[in-house]
Amino acid sequence: DTGVSQDPRHKITKRGQNVTFRCDPISEHNRLYWYRQTLGQGPEFLTYFQNEAQLEKSRLLSDRFSAERPKGSFSTLEIQRTEQGDSAMYLCASRPNRAGGSETQYFGPGTRLLVL
Amino acid sequence: GNSVTQMEGPVTLSEEAFLTINCTYTATGYPSLFWYVQYPGEGLQLLLKATKADDKGSNKGFEATYRKETTSFHLEKGSVQVSDSAVYFCAQIQGAQKLVFGQGTRLTINP
Repeated sequence: DTGVSQDPRHKITKRGQNVTFRCDPISEHNRLYWYRQTLGQGPEFLTYFQNEAQLEKSRLLSDRFSAERPKGSFSTLEIQRTEQGDSAMYLCASRPNRAGGSETQYFGPGTRLLVL
Repeated sequence: GNSVTQMEGPVTLSEEAFLTINCTYTATGYPSLFWYVQYPGEGLQLLLKATKADDKGSNKGFEATYRKETTSFHLEKGSVQVSDSAVYFCAQIQGAQKLVFGQGTRLTINP
């Protein structure tokens, strides 16, 4: 199966610690997205890459959050000095680099973060 | 800004019942519209989509029609099964980049 993969699937950390998540998109998908989903809510957009370029960041992405996609393939999302409010499911999605908004975004299984 | 509102859950139905989950949107212009489904323990999967007014998306017996006049994209299924139990998310694409989701509707089908 060559779907979107994320690692780890679960992460428990103590407040103040740094965490890093990884996303491997579907091969040849140029566009990669990060979303955050809190309990009982729909996913909310965090940031988006086209190849290695980070083209848009949400206001939800505070300065404690940083995302990279150094070679235009996998991406990492780092949260520094975690807070309890960062507890959520972090979702990654990818799609082909074709023009238009109707292209499907394919989602990974997510990384569930719990900050104690 | 652009938003999506869907009917609050949870929704509980008996097997073979008719299902409707309401979804309305606000947007400038005419976004593409999507229904995603999240089965227990699994990631989000695209269920169906429609890219312009009056388009009907369909998959696995589910249907939704893009209604520009009512800014709606209601999800329907004529006869639900226990295996349809999941959380359903309505979404629109904003600026050809990011998905804007509704809050989700949890559906439980009892045998």
